[in-house]
This record gives sequence, C-alpha cells and structure tokens, in this order.
Amino acid sequence: QKEVEQDPGPLSVPEGAIVSLNCTYSNSAFQYFMWYRQYSRKGPELLMYTYSSGNKEDGRFTAQVDKSSKYISLFIRDSQPSDSATYLCAMNRGSGGGADGLTFGKGTHLIIQP
Amino acid sequence: KAGVTQTPRYLIKTRGQQVTLSCSPISGHRSVSWYQQTPGQGLQFLFEYFSETQRNKGNFPGRFSGRQFSNSRSEMNVSTLELGDSALYLCASSWGDRQSTEAFFGQGTRLTVV
Repeated sequence: QKEVEQDPGPLSVPEGAIVSLNCTYSNSAFQYFMWYRQYSRKGPELLMYTYSSGNKEDGRFTAQVDKSSKYISLFIRDSQPSDSATYLCAMNRGSGGGADGLTFGKGTHLIIQP
Repeated sequence: KAGVTQTPRYLIKTRGQQVTLSCSPISGHRSVSWYQQTPGQGLQFLFEYFSETQRNKGNFPGRFSGRQFSNSRSEMNVSTLELGDSALYLCASSWGDRQSTEAFFGQGTRLTVV
C-alpha cells in the first residue's frame, strides 16, 4: 500500500461546477497537508497549506483535512477552464529541525469543459 | 519577487555521463529540497539542505548527490547516468528550518538520458 493514494482521473466536469479532489493516506504521523497545481511542463504551484485537521478557505478553493479518517480534500467552486491541470496532494510529518521531504500523491488530472 | 530558478531547463545526456543541475531559491529562503518526477513514480523526494547541511535523504542510490552553498543556492549531481534517470528534476525552497511548510517549486530541469 502506498503512503498516499490519489485517483489519477481524468476527472472531467463542466465549467462552473464544484470540483472535489481527494487523497487518502496511511501514515498517521502526517501533520502538514498541501495541495499543488501543476500545468503541463511546469513546476507545481502551491495552492493550499493546512496544519492538522480542519478547513481552510482561499477564494474559490477550500481544503479539508480529516485526520481521523486519514482523508484530505480540495474543493474548487465556480470552476474555470483555466483550472484544468494536474492537482497533487502532498504531506509530511513536519518534525522541525530535521523535517522530512514531502510525500506526494500521483496527482489527479482535471479537465474543465467550457 | 523572483521565484525559484532552475538551470538548465532541458538537458540531454548519454548513459554513463554525469550531470549537474542548479537551483537558486527564493531570496531569503534557506531550505532547498530536490525531487524527481516521473510518469510512473510521480514526485519522489531526493534530499533536503538547510544552511549548507544535508538534513534528509530519500531512497535513491548514492549516484545522486547534492550540495548547498553559503548563499543558499544548491546543486545536485547525478553520476553514471542510467536510462531510468530520465525525469523532471524539481527544486523547492522554503523559508525556515521546516521543509514541511510552504515549499515553492521551480519550473524544473527536464533530463533525458539516451
């Protein structure tokens, strides 16, 4: 079992729809959770960063973390064609002063149809 | 504010050769991490440097090495290149001593080994 599981998609939705992207993980020590967006032939762009359980909202994006279920989500409201990209979840233990690298999901390819 | 800069953007090398990739972090960031991205394995952590010291290393052979300079710029080196080393190599920088938080990626160096 991989440490982080993410459905690769593709996930295709019409413009304006609410998009839900998810990851599950197995390592209960993970405390920091991130979502990145990656366009083709570009580096990942940090969208959301969350510590421990809870919700965080930034514009059209909402990140949710449920540590009891080892499940994280990213919601995109009023989706736009420019949101079409690969979305990667990432997490780590955040041990500080010797932090591990990030553990990534494989990414979900999202297509927003105009 | 300039982002993370990686050079070169593209590289073609022959099996058995060695290669050096360069990364300039965001001004003021002291932590630099390197990742390898392939279609099959996704993003995998290589190593992390903070204040010129390697603090963590992922599960890669010793052919992969790196260093960080006093100005926080970093280089990674791959010796005796193999076909399987073909990948996008990404560098990420962070503000403080906890790589877990808010890592910002460069555009990557696409290495092709022939």
